[in-house]
Amino acid sequence: DSGVTQTPKHLITATGQRVTLRCSPRSGDLSVYWYQQSLDQGLQFLIQYYNGEERAKGNILERFSAQQFPDLHSELNLSSLELGDSALYFCASSVAPRTGGYGYTFGSGTRLTVV
Amino acid sequence: QKEVEQDPGPLSVPEGAIVSLNCTYSNSAFQYFMWYRQYSRKGPELLMYTYSSGNKEDGRFTAQVDKSSKYISLFIRDSQPSDSATYLCALPHSGAGSYQLTFGKGTKLSVIP
Repeated sequence: DSGVTQTPKHLITATGQRVTLRCSPRSGDLSVYWYQQSLDQGLQFLIQYYNGEERAKGNILERFSAQQFPDLHSELNLSSLELGDSALYFCASSVAPRTGGYGYTFGSGTRLTVV
Repeated sequence: QKEVEQDPGPLSVPEGAIVSLNCTYSNSAFQYFMWYRQYSRKGPELLMYTYSSGNKEDGRFTAQVDKSSKYISLFIRDSQPSDSATYLCALPHSGAGSYQLTFGKGTKLSVIP
């Protein structure tokens, strides 16, 4: 167990729907990162939060949004879902935004299937 | 040109073989170089990292960086079936209060008993 908790583990939904993915970071970590992993694109950075503030945005679609709450958990909202949004969504956390060579700790992911 | 290129494999080797995994990158500003390992249905986990050029050894694993040719390698000696996983190189870059890792696509390794 990495200490980063993601729920749900699996999600099957229809096109056009909206879903919310939840992440609880490792105890003591203030920074949360969201990644999307698909077979053709690999791991793609979506967004980073630090202590409730957005710090960096990657290839995140306008249909997607995220936030980090005062208790430090984070939610990734995906709306108007398309078949191409089917992927593994990972959350990761670290103590601080700049951790040099220490990287960050990933959760086990949420597998989203859009049908 | 993508920032990080990695041969996706798959790579299949017999137990005990030496495995070589490689990535190339385009941005010479990168200073840290990481390797993550991802088992099936799990999140990636940090295996090891190096700073700047040179080698770093950790047990059966050796990470090597050649900044002049923008080439990073991970060597696994005496490979074991438990090493079967996808290996991803990752390069961190940080800015004003931000930090993100750019990953290669990963190389899927199978070690056959």
